[in-house]
Amino acid sequence: GENVEQHPSTLSVQEGDSAVIKCTYSDSASNYFPWYKQELGKRPQLIIDIRSNVGEKKDQRIAVTLNKTAKHFSLHITETQPEDSAVYFCAASIGGNTGKLIFGQGTTLQVKP
Amino acid sequence: GAVVSQHPSRVICKSGTSVKIECRSLDFQATTMFWYRQFPKQSLMLMATSNEGSKATYEQGVEKDKFLINHASLTLSTLTVTSAHPEDSSFYICSAPRPGETDTQYFGPGTRLTVL
Repeated sequence: GENVEQHPSTLSVQEGDSAVIKCTYSDSASNYFPWYKQELGKRPQLIIDIRSNVGEKKDQRIAVTLNKTAKHFSLHITETQPEDSAVYFCAASIGGNTGKLIFGQGTTLQVKP
Repeated sequence: GAVVSQHPSRVICKSGTSVKIECRSLDFQATTMFWYRQFPKQSLMLMATSNEGSKATYEQGVEKDKFLINHASLTLSTLTVTSAHPEDSSFYICSAPRPGETDTQYFGPGTRLTVL
């Protein structure tokens, strides 16, 4: 079946450094790739997303890149701050425009002051 | 922005009882809603698609008789965990897209179920 692989599972960086999280997906029909930040016991919060007709998207300190040929997409956070510490999930739409999402395993990001 | 609510936020029940969780879209109509389950320190796993006015569709490995889904109105979907057991303890989260926005999912705040 479809799946999304996410790496690394944990990431520790110093405040001000950059953080990169990578995901690969298997469903060729996937055309929407959101990234979520989740704090303990809370709902996932959409931080950025990208659609398959775009290769890169940036929003202030956050950027996402997509390589459809390789079925690979990445989240880049620059100038990290302690409040960026959380669990980050990538996701990919499955089965075309169904609204269904399959999530990666998650990355626990720790930003040390 | 769009708001999705869930009720209750937390529930503790005894093994063998049934628990109902509500998911409401507060400022838009949702013909489709999705139910996810998240075990501690794990990812979200799609359980089923709730379809207004028709039967829910379940993902592979999810027991439809165990997790009953009803989507009786355009703003409400319910998930009933029947004959709950300790292994059903989890964080249950619903999501819904706004009409015309198939991709963007608005997540509810989640329901923490603990089965004793």
